[in-house]
Amino acid sequence: DTEVTQTPKHLVMGMTNKKSLKCEQHMGHRAMYWYKQKAKKPPELMFVYSYEKLSINESVPSRFSPECPNSSLLNLHLHALQPEDSALYLCASSQHLWRGTGANVLTFGAGSRLTVL
Amino acid sequence: AQKITQTQPGMFVQEKEAVTLDCTYDTSDPSYGLFWYKQPSSGEMIFLIYQGSYDQQNATEGRYSLNFQKARKSANLVISASQLGDSAMYFCAMREGDNNNDMRFGAGTRLTVKP
Repeated sequence: DTEVTQTPKHLVMGMTNKKSLKCEQHMGHRAMYWYKQKAKKPPELMFVYSYEKLSINESVPSRFSPECPNSSLLNLHLHALQPEDSALYLCASSQHLWRGTGANVLTFGAGSRLTVL
Repeated sequence: AQKITQTQPGMFVQEKEAVTLDCTYDTSDPSYGLFWYKQPSSGEMIFLIYQGSYDQQNATEGRYSLNFQKARKSANLVISASQLGDSAMYFCAMREGDNNNDMRFGAGTRLTVKP
């Protein structure tokens, strides 16, 4: 079983809907990430949180709104999405932000597969 | 500019044989980390092995080893004694610098293990 839990596993939504993706980890990690992965492509970074503060926002459209209510939880709020936003959304966590040395491995969840109609 | 290059879109290997998945990278930063992840069809990214730029020895983790050739900027993954469960997508990734938190992934290689 993965130590990063993502819900829901599958989500189908219309372009006018508001939904949220949730991610939870209990490893005591202080950095959490959202990645987007289109079919047959590598993951692309969307957001990074460190100690519950937004550290990186990779120019993601405002229809994606991240939230980190505490060190264990990471949400991605979705509103007015487009069909091209259909993808696998991966959450990950690491002990801390990258410091140039040491593995600081990212542990990923199983992903939430989003389809926008 | 492409930082991580995986030139093999697909690879086949016979069960119980070894296979090498290629990865080259591009960075001018002396401090970086190289990672390999496995992604089965279920979608989860599974960490396999890590190599730091200052590590003197090649990393090994069970059946996985990393052939790190720093001068050539290559970090090939070697899987020994392939198993059917090794069939998956494999991504090489890099984090560079001291404060760069963007892990860049290569395009991936799909490995199929034949019985």
